[in-house]
Amino acid sequence: DARVTQTPRHKVTEMGQEVTMRCQPILGHNTVFWYRQTMMQGLELLAYFRNRAPLDDSGMPKDRFSAEMPDATLATLKIQPSEPRDSAVYFCASGPTGKSNQPQHFGDGTRLSIL
Amino acid sequence: AQKVTQAQTEISVVEKEDVTLDCVYETRDTTYYLFWYKQPPSGELVFLIRRNSFDEQNEISGRYSWNFQKSTSSFNFTITASQVVDSAVYFCALTSRNSGNTPLVFGKGTRLSVIA
Repeated sequence: DARVTQTPRHKVTEMGQEVTMRCQPILGHNTVFWYRQTMMQGLELLAYFRNRAPLDDSGMPKDRFSAEMPDATLATLKIQPSEPRDSAVYFCASGPTGKSNQPQHFGDGTRLSIL
Repeated sequence: AQKVTQAQTEISVVEKEDVTLDCVYETRDTTYYLFWYKQPPSGELVFLIRRNSFDEQNEISGRYSWNFQKSTSSFNFTITASQVVDSAVYFCALTSRNSGNTPLVFGKGTRLSVIA
C-alpha cells in the first residue's frame, strides 16, 4: 500500500530551537497539504502545494514558519524559532490533482513538543 | 466560508449499542464532497467514506452507515452494534470541487468511547 511518510514521528526540543518536519507524498500525488492538530483549534490547514508551487499558506504564522517542496518527493515544514505554543501534531497529506473527490491520504503525523 | 459542526464533543456507549455521530455543514458551493475520518488512540487519520453533493443515497458498509440529507445540510454516521475497537475520535470534513484537490475543512471531532 502506498503511504505518506512523515519524519520524525516525535520531536521534543527546547524553545528557540529550529524544527524541521519532512513529508514524502505518495508517488504520483502532486498536491501536498500540511495540517496542524491542537486540542483548542482541532485540525486546521497550514499550507498546501500543487505541482510544488505554494497555493495557500494563509494558515501559517509567516514570521516563524516556512513550508517548501524542494522536489516532488519531499515537502518540508520548518519552525524557527520554535515556541511552546507550536506544540501540536503536524500532519502531511497528499492527493492526486484533478479529482478533488479522491480522498487525501494522511501520514501518521509528527508529534511536536516544545519545552 | 465553509464550516463543519460536530455538536457532540464526547459520546460514551456500552458495547453492542448503536450510536449516531452528527455532522452539520455550511457551504455556498453547489458541488462539494463530505468525508468521515477516524482517529484511533494511535493517532493516525483513517479515511472512512467520501460522499459527493449529488449523491444523497445512504450508504452502508458493514456496521457503518451514513445518512446524507442535503435539505438539512447533515451527514450523520451511525455505528451499529458498537465494539470497543470503535473507540476513537471521528472527524467529519468538507471540501469544495475545484480544479484539483482542495483542502479539507474539519469539524472539531467527536470522541467515542465504547465500554465493554
